[in-house]
Amino acid sequence: DTGVSQDPRHKITKRGQNVTFRCDPISEHNRLYWYRQTLGQGPEFLTYFQNEAQLEKSRLLSDRFSAERPKGSFSTLEIQRTEQGDSAMYLCASRDRGDAGELFFGEGSRLTVL
Amino acid sequence: GEDVEQSLFLSVREGDSSVINCTYTDSSSTYLYWYKQEPGAGLQLLTYIFSNMDMKQDQRLTVLLNKKDKHLSLRIADTQTGDSAIYFCAEIPYSGAGSYQLTFGKGTKLSVIP
Repeated sequence: DTGVSQDPRHKITKRGQNVTFRCDPISEHNRLYWYRQTLGQGPEFLTYFQNEAQLEKSRLLSDRFSAERPKGSFSTLEIQRTEQGDSAMYLCASRDRGDAGELFFGEGSRLTVL
Repeated sequence: GEDVEQSLFLSVREGDSSVINCTYTDSSSTYLYWYKQEPGAGLQLLTYIFSNMDMKQDQRLTVLLNKKDKHLSLRIADTQTGDSAIYFCAEIPYSGAGSYQLTFGKGTKLSVIP
């Protein structure tokens, strides 16, 4: 499978714990995005990487959230001291160079904070 | 800020045509997209249209763009039960940051009645 893969697919955690999600984009894609989707809403942009550089962050990305893409390939999204409001589907997407074009999404990592 | 609006629900009979409508606010948007999301799954790109086009057809799908009114529609001919899903309209608003991140609507849930 050469699509975008995310791990884990589901995570249940207690409030206050830290969680980390991983995204492996399509191998030749240098642009990687994280989105968050809550129930009944469309995906909301969180952050964007071009290669290893994090070039844009949404105001939704509080200080408890950190994302990295250390070698310009896979990316991690860590949430520290989780809160119930963090419960959502976290979607990763990647695309090739250029102005726009197709954005390929992974299946998402669903987080439930109890 | 940028906003993408869609009606939340649409119900059609199998074999009829479905028309899903969307309005957007950023007149500088270069590309407009339609994504499909089935329950528990990630987003699948159906089609996209460049802003200098007013129509694009791809098999059963027809996209119409009225740039003056900032209105986008997706027509699905001969709707099948497998088309039941949530359909998201998305634009790339001009951010100046070069991230070309998508702004999504809340999605239209299409229910196909056999």
